[in-house]
Amino acid sequence: EAQVTQNPRYLITVTGKKLTVTCSQNMNHEYMSWYRQDPGLGLRQIYYSMNVEVTDKGDVPEGYKVSRKEKRNFPLILESPSPNQTSLYFCASSPTPRSAKETQYFGPGTRLLVL
Amino acid sequence: AQSVTQLDSHVSVSEGTPVLLRCNYSSSYSPSLFWYVQHPNKGLQLLLKYTSAATLVKGINGFEAEFKKSETSFHLTKPSAHMSDAAEYFCVVSVPGRRALTFGSGTRLQVQP
Repeated sequence: EAQVTQNPRYLITVTGKKLTVTCSQNMNHEYMSWYRQDPGLGLRQIYYSMNVEVTDKGDVPEGYKVSRKEKRNFPLILESPSPNQTSLYFCASSPTPRSAKETQYFGPGTRLLVL
Repeated sequence: AQSVTQLDSHVSVSEGTPVLLRCNYSSSYSPSLFWYVQHPNKGLQLLLKYTSAATLVKGINGFEAEFKKSETSFHLTKPSAHMSDAAEYFCVVSVPGRRALTFGSGTRLQVQP
């Protein structure tokens, strides 16, 4: 089944403890992206990647890192999480950077609570 | 800069009655506009998209939206609500040259039996 998977789905952590949220897609998509969803703000893009080893900042990149060593994986790294990073995180992918402006396929989301 | 404004954060309708979710956009360019739906504990799914072809766009599950340039609106409608339509709906804009989709703040649709 074609899908975007994220792990973990739920995570509770403490301030300053490094964590990684994984994202994987099995559709051979070039484009991948991370969003955070907060009440009343919709989804905001954190980072995106147009292909392997090509990443760039979105609208809210502060406090996050990403890497794209393989086409299928796009992990989101929080080196020192803070409470304001408590949010619902979505990974998304699209066949190409051009198609990403029309259709993106979203993972199920990761709910993160930073105490 | 482009943006979208969803005029209602919550909409409640009775099953079988029409649905109207409102969205206004602002863009310096000819935008592409989308509606995404998010069911509880699920990721987002594309409902429909407008990309400068027909102004009335039909999507999945009986939803449709009309692009009105004079009103800068892209409202989502459905003639008859079903319980399974209860979800959060996002209006989204994309413009040439910008790297990301811009999401509205979302409208939560409740469907009462």
